Amino acid sequence: DTGVSQDPRHKITKRGQNVTFRCDPISEHNRLYWYRQTLGQGPEFLTYFQNEAQLEKSRLLSDRFSAERPKGSFSTLEIQRTEQGDSAMYLCASSFPNRDGYTFGSGTRLTVV
Amino acid sequence: SQQGEEDPQALSIQEGENATMNCSYKTSINNLQWYRQNSGRGLVHLILIRSNEREKHSGRLRVTLDTSKKSSSLLITASRAADTASYFCATDQGGKLIFGQGTELSVKP
Repeated sequence: DTGVSQDPRHKITKRGQNVTFRCDPISEHNRLYWYRQTLGQGPEFLTYFQNEAQLEKSRLLSDRFSAERPKGSFSTLEIQRTEQGDSAMYLCASSFPNRDGYTFGSGTRLTVV
Repeated sequence: SQQGEEDPQALSIQEGENATMNCSYKTSINNLQWYRQNSGRGLVHLILIRSNEREKHSGRLRVTLDTSKKSSSLLITASRAADTASYFCATDQGGKLIFGQGTELSVKP
């Protein structure tokens, strides 16, 4: 296991299109998190899962965003009807609860044109 | 919403000097963590300090936590050019991390 993998690394899409990102966490980790980060800012929490259960979703997250973790392994984050304001780096992380730190992937950079 | 506030926002030092970054937060926490991020990359976990701990060391890193003041500091001793990165504090709240806006550290050779 080489860490948290995210795919794709970069995505350019036209406004109004739907996009889907994938995250493969460290296999032993039961928690998976999605964050969004814009230039010069810290990561902003979006949602997280414990196994396949989505435990929390940020109130800032519009209904255009949906995340799944169907078998408690990989996760997908879908953005429907993308807007220019959705342009950001989308980061995935995984962890054991109450243990040292999160392991982050390298992120998916989304550009909406 | 962001929880931790970091100070300074940017710090420029010479190689070999020490770098100190501060973080303040607003609510009760389970633990506080520090992460490093190189430009355009994911975050790397540096160190975790629990709410009942006051100080922790890891190599050239020293973290302090003052829960009465709701503040933490990260000290990097004998800095190297490779330490150039953004540094974020994050507080564990209800099972998720809430990050500050970060300190951008530049270490000049």
